[in-house]
Amino acid sequence: EVQLVESGGVVVQPGGSLTLSCAASGFTFDDYTMHWVRQAPGKGLEWVSLISWDGDSTYYADSVKGRFTISRDNSKNSLYLQMNSLRTEDTAFYYCAKGPERPAIFHGMDVWGQGTTVTVSS
Amino acid sequence: NFMLTQPHSVSESPGKTVTISCTGSSGSIASNYVQWYQQRPGSAPTTVIYEDNLRPSGVPDRFSGSIDSSSNSASLTISGLKTEDEADYYCQSYDSNNHEVFGGGTKLTVL
Repeated sequence: EVQLVESGGVVVQPGGSLTLSCAASGFTFDDYTMHWVRQAPGKGLEWVSLISWDGDSTYYADSVKGRFTISRDNSKNSLYLQMNSLRTEDTAFYYCAKGPERPAIFHGMDVWGQGTTVTVSS
Repeated sequence: NFMLTQPHSVSESPGKTVTISCTGSSGSIASNYVQWYQQRPGSAPTTVIYEDNLRPSGVPDRFSGSIDSSSNSASLTISGLKTEDEADYYCQSYDSNNHEVFGGGTKLTVL
């Protein structure tokens, strides 16, 4: 069974930093693109970032580009999101999601984690 | 920027059929695959349609997806509505800037 378990969500002050983690199991992690998607309270889904199966290609939403960094450690079956210069508008539930099998990159998400909450507040 | 527009809400009675539309703002929606996600209250999203019209295992065949190039739209159709289908539904595709894009979501009420 494919499982994605996010962790690392906390309350952080504006301007602060935070790293989210996603532990993957049940599939060959290094064959798949991975995503981060967020959902602000009472709002819709917003794609944040993706990373290709080998980590060589990364893409970001305009709202986080230059502040967030996506990475992965295929030896640990883990995905990360380093979040810097956090703003109140980054407050959201953050989901890790599995993308398509290589060589595809942009075929959306097929399995989602349960998410972790990030609150940016003074 | 490429956008996907969905109706804010739809409602229908149990046993009936409902269709949720997803209209692309530019280009051809048929150029890139469209996915559909279901999100029940308090839960993470799940995929109900991928690559325009394919269902993941475990998704009942009451769910179907289609593309209409003439209106630059994708549609999710749910037949034989059940109360358990009540949820938010999101369409998703990607644009020429290598960004994944979500529609704003449609709240389905089964009453």
